[in-house]
Amino acid sequence: AQSVTQLDSQVPVFEEAPVELRCNYSSSVSVYLFWYVQYPNQGLQLLLKYLSGSTLVESINGFEAEFNKSQTSFHLRKPSVHISDTAEYFCAVTPMDSSYKLIFGSGTRLLVRP
Amino acid sequence: GAVVSQHPSWVICKSGTSVKIECRSLDFQATTMFWYRQFPKQSLMLMATSNEGSKATYEQGVEKDKFLINHASLTLSTLTVTSAHPEDSSFYICSARGRQTYNEQFFGPGTRLTVL
Repeated sequence: AQSVTQLDSQVPVFEEAPVELRCNYSSSVSVYLFWYVQYPNQGLQLLLKYLSGSTLVESINGFEAEFNKSQTSFHLRKPSVHISDTAEYFCAVTPMDSSYKLIFGSGTRLLVRP
Repeated sequence: GAVVSQHPSWVICKSGTSVKIECRSLDFQATTMFWYRQFPKQSLMLMATSNEGSKATYEQGVEKDKFLINHASLTLSTLTVTSAHPEDSSFYICSARGRQTYNEQFFGPGTRLTVL
């Protein structure tokens, strides 16, 4: 079985400050890892994903995440946030089996203040 | 590419009635579709997985007779909430997976259901 833990339910930060959203997972099999962003009353948008290869993955809007297998973590970072980054962020994993199920963390609300 | 739509985006119904929500993959063939439920300020909970042409697989605790799922074609899955009650009010989100994107799911915009 898999589980995903996002320890921070809400992260307030000032505009242009750096931010890190934490994600840890537990799994008995190898997993693919994802970060999704959800704006109010909308579905989920894929922010970035780790499937294989380089452990550092980047998105087009300045976010990056690093897969750390030994610490079973996939923390999301951005060096300088904007007001428009205010949203709910979900970390998720898919086990490398035939189920293709996504197991989500509880989410972290990023609140960017001016 | 890889766009998933849902219809309706919101619906209000009376207690005891049934509501159907459609999920469509617009530009790819979805071999698998997933239905999630999300309560306010909470994460997504997987309700069921459906593969085209076969019966849906429901997660533990999800009532099969209450949440009817049909995946009749490679581009359409429907979720019918039967005999809806106020506690069924929630945000329902579907996602789809295609053959070429086997390890990634694409999400619809969600449907807000309010049962009065």
